[in-house]
Amino acid sequence: EVQLVDSGGGLVQPGRSLRLSCVASGFTFDDHAMHWVRQAPGKGLEWVSGISWNSGRVGYADSVKGRFTISRDNTKNSLSLQMNSLRLEDTALYYCARDTSPYFDSSGYYFDSWGQGTLVTVSS
Amino acid sequence: SSELTQDPAVSVALGQTVRITCQGDSLRSHYAGWYQQKPGQAPILVFYGENSRPSGIPDRLSGSSSGNTASLTITGAQAEDEADYYCNSRDNTGDHVIFGGGTKVTVL
Repeated sequence: EVQLVDSGGGLVQPGRSLRLSCVASGFTFDDHAMHWVRQAPGKGLEWVSGISWNSGRVGYADSVKGRFTISRDNTKNSLSLQMNSLRLEDTALYYCARDTSPYFDSSGYYFDSWGQGTLVTVSS
Repeated sequence: SSELTQDPAVSVALGQTVRITCQGDSLRSHYAGWYQQKPGQAPILVFYGENSRPSGIPDRLSGSSSGNTASLTITGAQAEDEADYYCNSRDNTGDHVIFGGGTKVTVL
């Protein structure tokens, strides 16, 4: 069974940092690109960042570029999101999601498995 | 930047057919993905690409595309189809993913 377990969320003050993690099981992790998608309370889905199977290509939403860094460790079947300089508007439920393709910038960006989400609350 | 536009809400009578649409310039070049999200749950991919349905998704959910519009059709809507539905696509730069604002489907 494919499983993605997100963790690392919490309450953090504006300007501080947080690191999210996602551990995968039940599939060959390096056969897939991976992404982070967030959902602010009561709002829609917003793509945050993506990374190819071998970390060779990454991408970021304009809203987080320069502040967030995505990475993966295929030996540990894990995906991470380092979030720096957090803002109030970064408050959201963050999901890791599996891409149907191994590639980042040449796929259709279809996300066929999702974690349960980890909540990040940025507040003073 | 690229955008995907969805109607905020639609309703359908039990057993009837409803079409949810998603409009955007990127859809002229790229197929959409469709996601179903129920309250308190993570999204589920229900249709993607030209004609792909993940295993376990009932065939009453089907996708299509024409010009700048992608559509998800629910044929014979059931109570369990009541949910929020989101479309997504790559944008025209290729290195960004965009989501529509979502459509809330109510089954009457």
